[in-house]
Amino acid sequence: GAGVSQTPSNKVTEKGKYVELRCDPISGHTALYWYRQSLGQGPEFLIYFQGTGAADDSGLPNDRFFAVRPEGSVSTLKIQRTERGDSAVYLCASSLLLASYNEQFFGPGTRLTVL
Amino acid sequence: AQSVTQPDIHITVSEGASLELRCNYSYGATPYLFWYVQSPGQGLQLLLKYFSGDTLVQGIKGFEAEFKRSQSSFNLRKPSVHWSDAAEYFCAVGGMEYGNKLVFGAGTILRVKS
Repeated sequence: GAGVSQTPSNKVTEKGKYVELRCDPISGHTALYWYRQSLGQGPEFLIYFQGTGAADDSGLPNDRFFAVRPEGSVSTLKIQRTERGDSAVYLCASSLLLASYNEQFFGPGTRLTVL
Repeated sequence: AQSVTQPDIHITVSEGASLELRCNYSYGATPYLFWYVQSPGQGLQLLLKYFSGDTLVQGIKGFEAEFKRSQSSFNLRKPSVHWSDAAEYFCAVGGMEYGNKLVFGAGTILRVKS
């Protein structure tokens, strides 16, 4: 079956612009996670969803970042007034259930570059 | 604060040689421990995981890892490295104290010499 997909694979934008990053999880996976990976670092947690609700958004760096999952499947990460420091690879993962022992399956990521 | 340390940023080994990648964590209870591999342009792929029981766990692609509670370590090993193993490797920890998220180390880049 298909894995986690993310679009676009690359996004270049200008400082101050708004961007949306999309994640399609594995079908049937109820939990969805967003991580951010800066150059030379490991992924850092942003937010996760159980179904349609954000169960933990403690990793979002500030209120410019927002994520939704309106139908419990596809999720969109939204970044307002982008800054150069937002440049990173944004990774999405999904798991069958929301539990830390459940394997998280990762997508290939969206590389965001803010000029 | 809970953390994961991968002390080696880069490691270079010859093809056919053995490999050990180090991972240390700080955590109060028994953690869930994971090793992921990331190849350029690819998503993170799970190599193996430890939850409980036998402290030596086997994974895919011939990798294994050993949980040592006394050393707070979960080192990844492979007896004979192949050129296709060149990639970046991430250790991660999860568990009750982390909620349902994973905390990752900074990664170790493996280079394989032919």
